[in-house]
Order: sequence, then structure tokens, then C-alpha cells
Amino acid sequence: DQQVKQNSPSLSVQEGRISILNCDYTNSMFDYFLWYKKYPAEGPTFLISISSIKDKNEDGRFTVFLNKSAKHLSLHIVPSQPGDSAVYFCAASAYNQGGKLIFGQGTELSVKP
Amino acid sequence: EPEVTQTPSHQVTQMGQEVILRCVPISNHLYFYWYRQILGQKVEFLVSFYNNEISEKSEIFDDQFSVERPDGSNFTLKIRSTKLEDSAMYFCASSDPPGHEQYFGPGTRLTVT
Repeated sequence: DQQVKQNSPSLSVQEGRISILNCDYTNSMFDYFLWYKKYPAEGPTFLISISSIKDKNEDGRFTVFLNKSAKHLSLHIVPSQPGDSAVYFCAASAYNQGGKLIFGQGTELSVKP
Repeated sequence: EPEVTQTPSHQVTQMGQEVILRCVPISNHLYFYWYRQILGQKVEFLVSFYNNEISEKSEIFDDQFSVERPDGSNFTLKIRSTKLEDSAMYFCASSDPPGHEQYFGPGTRLTVT
């Protein structure tokens, strides 16, 4: 049951360039979307979120774009820094499902100096 | 900055034994969650808890699992009779309101031998 999919298991980007991480979903009941960053042996760290009533949310170097018609969201990191190297998970929730988050499989981002 | 804490960081147990994983959510949060991540797989929802009741649970959360908020600060996950396939990282999270930003603890690595 892959309601949230991240089709790229890994991404390598040069420092200073833009990183674009993608996520697709199938459940039209999802109304809130989140991106988390995770280092090995640590818990996911919340990065940025977006409600389904918006199509863009920006916080510093991080911007999330939501395309509801395509059921697609993306996370842009500009400029990318070596400290951004981690696994990035997108997650989604629906208002009528007790707040549970459904996670994608993750994309491992490597930012090279 | 408030954070979710979890103990122990690593628990080794024999198959068939009971384990209790402990969490202290962020103090003003009202919604609590447990997730797990089997090595190499995605983060999976187990259960959500609000107002001393389970609000949602996944298929994974069978009769061997239970949750409790024994006092005003702790939130526990009990596995009554562990199986080898219960080996995973277990993450506690909390939020307010539900379905929005959930803040995760560092996780407990459970190893069942």
C-alpha cells in the first residue's frame, strides 16, 4: 500500500546548487504534507510543511511546492550545503485519520563540496 | 527548545519476552504517536493516542501491542511477547494539533534475539 512514493532513492548535488526532491501520493484525502530530514540512528526532524489549500510554502532555504492535480509535491533546497546531506522523507496526513503520518521511502541526498 | 525523549536508546530482548519502550512527549502536546522503522524500510505508523484513548491504529498494532499514558508526562509502548520481526527502531512523536507537525524522539532500537 504505497500511498506516498519517493521514486528516487538517492540524489547527488554540488554545494551551492539547487536540490529538488520529489514525492507523489495517491490518496486524495490527504490534506497536509510534511518533509522530514533524518540522519542515521536519529529520529526524523521536521523541516517544512504545507496545507492542501496552498501551493507553496517557503522557509529560508527550503521551499515546498504542492501540485494537487498531479498529486505531487517537491522540496527545493537552495543553496544546498554539505550539512544538508541526509535522508529526506515526505509524509502526508488526512484530517479524518487520527493524525497518522504516511511516509514515503525516503531519498538520500548527498551534497558534495 | 522542547524535545521528545525516549528511553532506552537500545533494548535487546529474547523472543517471547515483554518489553516496554518509554517516551516523554513535548509537555504542551496533546496527541501522541508511535512509529517504527525496520532496517532499510520506510517509517510506519503504529498508533495514535489522544485523551487517554487510542484514536487510530495500524494493522501492525495487534493484540501484542498496547500503549499507556501512566502519568502526566510518560507515554509507553508495550510489546507483550516479542517476535524476531519486531526488531526495529521505534519512534515516539507528539503534536498539537493532530495531523500537523509531529516532533519525533531519537528512537529506541529494539533487537529481538
